Parts: sequence; structure tokens; C-alpha cells
Amino acid sequence: SQKIEQNSEALNIQEGKTATLTCNYTNYSPAYLQWYRQDPGRGPVFLLLIRENEKEKRKERLKVTFDTTLKQSLFHITASQPADSATYLCALYNTDKLIFGTGTRLQVFP
Amino acid sequence: DAGVTQSPTHLIKTRGQQVTLRCSPISGHKSVSWYQQVLGQGPQFIFQYYEKEERGRGNFPDRFSARQFPNYSSELNVNALLLGDSALYLCASSLGRTDIANYGYTFGSGTRLTVV
Repeated sequence: SQKIEQNSEALNIQEGKTATLTCNYTNYSPAYLQWYRQDPGRGPVFLLLIRENEKEKRKERLKVTFDTTLKQSLFHITASQPADSATYLCALYNTDKLIFGTGTRLQVFP
Repeated sequence: DAGVTQSPTHLIKTRGQQVTLRCSPISGHKSVSWYQQVLGQGPQFIFQYYEKEERGRGNFPDRFSARQFPNYSSELNVNALLLGDSALYLCASSLGRTDIANYGYTFGSGTRLTVV
């Protein structure tokens, strides 16, 4: 069955550093991969989308890479700020629905 | 513009009871999807409705049902509640059926259901 893995351990980094989150998937060849941010008690918020024929996508301080050979996506936040602290979810599109990973909690401390 | 609105925000029910959750999509969006998010997990797909018809169903028992109204709002019903149904129930809207592939979902803030 399709499986999406994100690091379940929280990622703690210092303000100003680059945060890198990993999303690995198996038994699937998605055409699209998406990243969402979720704050406690709130719904996920769409951040970025990358297609299978794109290696990299950027939006302000965010960068996503997509390696279909490794079946992996990396999500980078440069110059991180305490306000970036949240859970980040990756999701794969599959026939009218998204399959989500479990998310990685990011904590940025001053 | 109002985003996706869900009601109620919080709900406590007893095992065996029935519950109805409501969702209003963004104006102009015709597709509504429901997801269940158990604490510590990612959202799990329950249903997609488009133009008032069920277009997709996740791996959930028949106790879960939904419908979409002519104004594109939607209701999720869960019968015979179990303790394991305690979760955050998220509604997501998109313009069309396959727009999530290119534009992602807009989620509501969810309904926190606690079954005791």
C-alpha cells in the first residue's frame, strides 16, 4: 500500500538557520506533491506544490525539491523565525484526494 | 471573502450517539472533501463531493455518510459513535474536482469531536 513517511521527531533549530524537512514515499509515483502548514487546533494551510517534472520550486523563504528517483521531497525554510514554528505536512495527490504524511513538528527558538 | 467555515467548533458526544458536522465552502467552490485527523497523525480522506454527488470515499465504515446541498455546503454524519471516532474533522473545498492537484485545498479550522 502507499506509504508516506515524515520524521515523527520534532525538529528544533535556532532562529536564522535553515530548517530542512523530509518526506519519503513508497509504492506510488505521484504526479504532484504538496506541502501544508498546520498550527495547533487549526486546519492545514497550503504552502507549495511541485510537479513530477519539476526539480525545485521556491516561494519567498520556502524551497521544495522533488526527487522521483529517490521518492523523496525536501522542504526548506531559510532564515527561519519563531513564527515558522508549526507542524508541516506533505501530501501526495491520488485520484481526487490527498494522502498525507504524519507531519513533522518544527520548533524555532530565538 | 469568508474562508471555509465549519460548525460546531467543538462537540462532546457519548458512545452510540449520532453526530452531524457542517461545512460551507468558499464561495464559487463546488467540491467539498472531508478528512479525519486523529491526534498526532495526518489527515485521512473520508469523502469527496462534487456537484452534489459522491466522487470518492476513503476506507471508513458505513457509519460515516455525507451529502452536499445545492448551495454546495455539506454535512458529515457519523452514527453509532465509538471512542475511536474522537478526532478533528476537517472540511476542505476546491473549485473543481481535480483542482486540488494544481492548487491544493483550502481547509476549514475543523470540528473537534470528543466521544466519551
